[in-house]
Amino acid sequence: GESVGLHLPTLSVQEGDNSIINCAYSNSASDYFIWYKQESGKGPQFIIDIRSNMDKRQGQRVTVLLNKTVKHLSLQIAATQPGDSAVYFCAETVMNSGYSTLTFGKGTMLLVSP
Amino acid sequence: GAGVSQSPSNKVTEKGKDVELRCDPISGHTALYWYRQSLGQGLEFLIYFQGNSAPDKSGLPSDRFSAERTGGSVSTLTIQRTQQEDSAVYLCASSLAVGSYEQYFGPGTRLTVT
Repeated sequence: GESVGLHLPTLSVQEGDNSIINCAYSNSASDYFIWYKQESGKGPQFIIDIRSNMDKRQGQRVTVLLNKTVKHLSLQIAATQPGDSAVYFCAETVMNSGYSTLTFGKGTMLLVSP
Repeated sequence: GAGVSQSPSNKVTEKGKDVELRCDPISGHTALYWYRQSLGQGLEFLIYFQGNSAPDKSGLPSDRFSAERTGGSVSTLTIQRTQQEDSAVYLCASSLAVGSYEQYFGPGTRLTVT
């Protein structure tokens, strides 16, 4: 669901399940997107990126899908593990805009049960 | 160092006092960014540096906030006359250059204003 106030959307899955985390971005001019993972007490960590000339990109156990028509981004995590528990942020930017300031979404908390 | 470091990791201060937060970027990274993360929220961009200059200060919430970077390396974020609403985690990130979009984050400084 949508975040309200201090409450992050939360996705609870069982270990071994596939997880899908969604993100709606705001700027139709954005052409570069990054997914970050933030574990408790740590700074965000880069997971995977995608440029707007692609609609899918795969990494190790992760896949990012981009739908520019509806300004939607998703992160799929295969065979989710307890170590995947974290808050996941999508970030967008306009390349060649002079500097690479990223606009972050509010984040989704992923909870993985053993 | 191997990654971005920030100090202190935690800071508790009384309302009205000034605080200085320090960021030591990855060696060789010319771009440095400051973000603020309030509880359960996404990352709010504050300011970025290219070398020692800060072309965009528009994200700073008020004139109580300032930042500087010397020698193209260490940066300090100063908050004067702190208010309770300044309580947040302040994150620093660096990247190879402004045109490099992958930002590496430090662990953050948790600021609590009482």
